[in-house]
Amino acid sequence: EPEVTQTPSHQVTQMGQEVILRCVPISNHLYFYWYRQILGQKVEFLVSFYNNEISEKSEIFDDQFSVERPDGSNFTLKIRSTKLEDSAMYFCASSRTGLGNQPQHFGDGTRLSIL
Amino acid sequence: QQPVQSPQAVILREGEDAVINCSSSKALYSVHWYRQKHGEAPVFLMILLKGGEQKGHDKISASFNEKKQQSSLYLTASQLSYSGTYFCGTERDDKIIFGKGTRLHILP
Repeated sequence: EPEVTQTPSHQVTQMGQEVILRCVPISNHLYFYWYRQILGQKVEFLVSFYNNEISEKSEIFDDQFSVERPDGSNFTLKIRSTKLEDSAMYFCASSRTGLGNQPQHFGDGTRLSIL
Repeated sequence: QQPVQSPQAVILREGEDAVINCSSSKALYSVHWYRQKHGEAPVFLMILLKGGEQKGHDKISASFNEKKQQSSLYLTASQLSYSGTYFCGTERDDKIIFGKGTRLHILP
């Protein structure tokens, strides 16, 4: 069964450094998402992406964050200048069409640790 | 605004039933249910659409009451593998907003 893959599984970065998290969504999916989960807390929506542009973003997704689909397969999340509070699990998800009757399929996540 | 889930946590013995509730202050178009095991990604269980309900698994089902803006997840004859945190998500404007989750722990 096709799945969403994320790399790396764990990223350790010094505060203030840039970090790029990578995701390969399921190949025939058109909608892509990033979520964040701080340890022990709920899954929080960051951004949705469709047709090469952001379709929705949360208040968490400020100017330090950006997303890109640099080629036909990868979907990346960049944090420009990391802060301690960016430490969390970051999940990428994709769905075949927009929400409604379509599930989102999550990758296994990238654990981001900011020192 | 995030949906409210109750209870926050449940401890059951294997074979017992559980109900997890999800309510919203805003009109619901669809409700998504996911289960997350510790250290893993959320796994899709089912979606309930306005005007109907969808059963995703044999012993896990759900209902959707549009008027009350509520959904409930029913776990029947629970198994050890049901342990985890259950999240409901409400869909609006291209995103899912998840509740805080309900921790379910099944004892043998």
